[in-house]
Amino acid sequence: ETGVTQSPTHLIKTRGQQVTLRCSSQSGHNTVSWYQQALGQGPQFIFQYYREEENGRGNFPPRFSGLQFPNYSSELNVNALELDDSALYLCASSLDRVRAFFGQGTRLTVV
Amino acid sequence: DQQVKQNSPSLSVQEGRISILNCDYTNSMFDYFLWYKKYPAEGPTFLISISSIKDKNEDGRFTVFLNKSAKHLSLHIVPSQPGDSAVYFCAASASSNYKLTFGKGTLLTVNP
Repeated sequence: ETGVTQSPTHLIKTRGQQVTLRCSSQSGHNTVSWYQQALGQGPQFIFQYYREEENGRGNFPPRFSGLQFPNYSSELNVNALELDDSALYLCASSLDRVRAFFGQGTRLTVV
Repeated sequence: DQQVKQNSPSLSVQEGRISILNCDYTNSMFDYFLWYKKYPAEGPTFLISISSIKDKNEDGRFTVFLNKSAKHLSLHIVPSQPGDSAVYFCAASASSNYKLTFGKGTLLTVNP
């Protein structure tokens, strides 16, 4: 059983650019969620996808968008990057409420 | 407005002793609670969870206690081992969605 994998692991972007982060869900999991973890903070919910439809969104602006594909893999897109977007971005997949499985994260640095 | 609070940023215990990590929440809609462990450069790893219909759940060395009236939960690790040294996050969710609301985490250090 493969776990949740994210790519890339590290990324440096310039303010104003756009970025796409990718996530491959754990086999059989139909729900994927994205979280942003700033330094010294807990992960903050960005949004969730269930069977390719957005199923809830946290307090993030519209320049944060996402997609879920038929194979349940997912992308997180961030437009017009700001310095405060520098963080660890975590993807989590789940099948039920018992647990969510997290990937290792993508460390995004905006300069 | 922080709905899940872990008021101790760090905790240090001796190997073999009990570690107790605490978590408080404010949202009465939360009905499912989870603990995650996180090592540097890794994603959070699920440890143990508890539903609001229970007040205790045990898995090996890990036990989670839930006090609904106080809106408080705690994670007990006994005996503590050096490999338990990590950041521990408390998380909560409500029946209406699968969104997890996390606390800021507690850094546990277990000294040999």
